[in-house]
Amino acid sequence: DAGVIQSPRHEVTEMGQEVTLRCKPISGHDYLFWYRQTMMRGLELLIYFNNNVPIDDSGMPEDRFSAKMPNASFSTLKIQPSEPRDSAVYFCASRPSTASTDTQYFGPGTRLTVL
Amino acid sequence: QKEVEQNSGPLSVPEGAIASLNCTYSDRVSQSFFWYRQYSGKSPELIMSIYSNGDKEDGRFTAQLNKASQYVSLLIRDSQPSDSATYLCAVDRGAQKLVFGQGTRLTINP
Repeated sequence: DAGVIQSPRHEVTEMGQEVTLRCKPISGHDYLFWYRQTMMRGLELLIYFNNNVPIDDSGMPEDRFSAKMPNASFSTLKIQPSEPRDSAVYFCASRPSTASTDTQYFGPGTRLTVL
Repeated sequence: QKEVEQNSGPLSVPEGAIASLNCTYSDRVSQSFFWYRQYSGKSPELIMSIYSNGDKEDGRFTAQLNKASQYVSLLIRDSQPSDSATYLCAVDRGAQKLVFGQGTRLTINP
């Protein structure tokens, strides 16, 4: 079975541009998580969904960030407008509701660079 | 104070020795604790979970938990170069949330 799929793997953009990151969770997984990882702040949870519904977005840094999950097999994280401080690796993770919280399957990540 | 704190390292250990990684947490309510390993350029992978005070062993890995001291550690025996990675401590905050430490970068020297 394919794991969590993220695209693009690398994104370089200029400040002020809109950036959209994509995630396809593992089929049958009810939970989807978006994380951001930087050297300064480590790995932080931004938002998570359960059955396509956003449950907790308290980690979203500001209004420039938005996330959607239109169906069970697709989610996006959008940054508009992007800023250099958004440069980070963004991970998507999923897990089934039958598994414990620690059993999150991480995608390969998207490395975002904002110039 | 950060909710989960780790020494960022780098921690350098000779091959065959014991590597000791430490983590402290601030929320006394936390009940579940985890260690993830992350190779450079890769995503985190779960290697150990611990829920009760004391030690839990899995192969060359031993997790230790002391809830009174709010302290979690990971010991790696007979360290191998393939153990070189960043180790992330994570605490279950409830409501599906994992809070991660900054990570400790471990290098095993042949």
